[in-house]
Amino acid sequence: SYEVTQPPSVSVSPGQTASITCSGDELGDKYAFWFQQKTGQSPLLVIYQHNKRPSGIPERFSGSSSGNTATLTISGTQAMDEADYYCQAWDSGSAVFGGGTKLTVL
Amino acid sequence: QLQLQESGPGLVKPSETLSLTCTVSGGSVSRSGYFWGWTRQSPGKGLEWIGSVYYTGTTNYNPSLKSRVTISVDTSKNQFSLKLTSVTASETAVYYCARGIAVPGPNNDYLDYWGQGTLVTVSS
Repeated sequence: SYEVTQPPSVSVSPGQTASITCSGDELGDKYAFWFQQKTGQSPLLVIYQHNKRPSGIPERFSGSSSGNTATLTISGTQAMDEADYYCQAWDSGSAVFGGGTKLTVL
Repeated sequence: QLQLQESGPGLVKPSETLSLTCTVSGGSVSRSGYFWGWTRQSPGKGLEWIGSVYYTGTTNYNPSLKSRVTISVDTSKNQFSLKLTSVTASETAVYYCARGIAVPGPNNDYLDYWGQGTLVTVSS
């Protein structure tokens, strides 16, 4: 079955740039989507189709893709950005989620 | 503003069928260009896709759950539902319903609105 892989954790200082990667076979041929999930809340779409931001998502969130790796970048990270982040791709009509990355802002 | 609300029993016995409903307000489940899906999250774990139903009635299921899952739409009630048979304790999780945007082309769809989730415990 298809898998996408994320680092379990990433730490960043306030105001700095955080990068979270997502890798998978042939991911370069698919779109990556990114969700933010804060404790006790449902997932929130922050990036779709590699690099598009839904309405209401701050500009500091951006996405990119190179080869078989997609990256979520948070510029000028704020304390409110501390959350779990999940990448997601589609494979044969099914959504496949990465294991999630816990972003710690310290 | 679109809202999705999950409902159903919070406790299901092992080997029985888990049944949940997602009520949609502020939008129509029969509108073209959308699909409706279910995802779950075991306590402290990541997200697992269960499956979806398109406005056409076409369904897609996680291959690992396909033999036990049915997702359907009730346009008269503006709801969609999940049935998962023969559940085990390991399927205790928060179950989320979500709306998806169906974009022409492969792998382009995306999930833009999620319900708040409902905890289902599988235990005798």
